Formats: sequence, structure tokens, C-alpha cells
Amino acid sequence: DAGVTQSPTHLIKTRGQHVTLRCSPISGHKSVSWYQQVLGQGPQFIFQYYEKEERGRGNFPDRFSARQFPNYSSELNVNALLLGDSALYLCASSLTGTSNQPQHFGDGTRLSIL
Amino acid sequence: KNQVEQSPQSLIILEGKNCTLQCNYTVSPFSNLRWYKQDTGRGPVSLTIMTFSENTKSNGRYTATLDADTKQSSLHITASQLSDSASYICVVSRSPYGGSQGNLIFGKGTKLSVKP
Repeated sequence: DAGVTQSPTHLIKTRGQHVTLRCSPISGHKSVSWYQQVLGQGPQFIFQYYEKEERGRGNFPDRFSARQFPNYSSELNVNALLLGDSALYLCASSLTGTSNQPQHFGDGTRLSIL
Repeated sequence: KNQVEQSPQSLIILEGKNCTLQCNYTVSPFSNLRWYKQDTGRGPVSLTIMTFSENTKSNGRYTATLDADTKQSSLHITASQLSDSASYICVVSRSPYGGSQGNLIFGKGTKLSVKP
């Protein structure tokens, strides 16, 4: 079975542009979470979606938005990109999305802002 | 404040040696504690998950311990291999009643390098 897949794997953008990152969860998983990981730090929680509804939101500006589709895949959108948005963006899926459920991570999208 | 502190920040050991990584947390209420291995440029992979009632859990050469009274955990790696070179991240879930993944508190990780 395929694990969590993310696309693209790498992306280079310039300041002010917008970006869309995509995530496909493990088959049968209904929850998707997004994380930002800056070099040398642990992942920081951005959003969680379950059954197409937002279940949780981290401390990120409104430039960050996300949605989940009927097939449980998800998109993360970031507008007006800043240099500080350069990071590895991770997607994780779980069956029901509660914090006592194991999470399975994708390999992330490496976003570089010039 | 809910925090997860890991030590050391980085560690270099020789292949075949054992090592122990530390995780201290101030997360409350506590639900479970997880250790992840993250290879460079890859996503984290789960090694162990421990609840309040578990004080030891093994996964091959990886053994995690949990002392919920002192709020400390350790990850012991036995007979290290070159492939163990990675960052090891400690994650604590702060809600015993489920709740969102936003209740997961991540440490900054320990970067382990295993040299031949």
C-alpha cells in the first residue's frame, strides 16, 4: 500500500508569490495534518482536517490556508510568500485524527523562497 | 507552558556503540509520548508510542523508556549502525481525551551521527 504522498518534492518561489502544496493520505485515513519544519527545528503544527472540516489550526498567519477534498486528499496554500516561509512542509495522515492516534508522515515538500 | 526539551542537540558515536537520547517534558495533561526517526530530507517515521501506563517499549535495536512521574523519556539505541544516522524527535500528546493533532508537542530533535 502506498504511504502518504506529497507533491511537488521541491519548489522554488520568489517573495510575494503564492504556492499550493498537495498531499494524498494513506488509503482509509480520513485525517490530514500539515506541519512546517524549519532546518534544525521540530515540526510546527499548521492545520488539521478531518472529514473535510478544519479540526485544528496552529499559530500561523492568514496567508496560510488549506482544504480537504471528498477523497481526503488535501492542499496547503500559502499567499504572499516571505523569505521566512522557506521550510520543509510535511503532511501526516491518520485514521480519525485524534491525538492518541499514530500519524504517518510523507517525505514533505521542500519550499525555497528567493 | 507545554514544552518538550531534548538532549543532547547532537551526538557523534562510532558504529557498534550504544547511545541514549533524552527527552524531558512539561506537557499536561499527558496522553502519550512518541519517538520518531527522521532521515535527512525525509519525513519522520514512528519508532514507538507509549501511554501513561507503559514504561518500556522496544522496536528492534531501539528501546524507549518513560517515567511519567519525573516526566522524562529516553531512547536507547543498541549496537548502532551507519543507517541510524538521523534526527530523533520526541513528541508528547497533551490530551487524554483525543482532541486534534494540534495537541502534539514536538521537540527539536537530537541529531545523531554514526561514524565507521
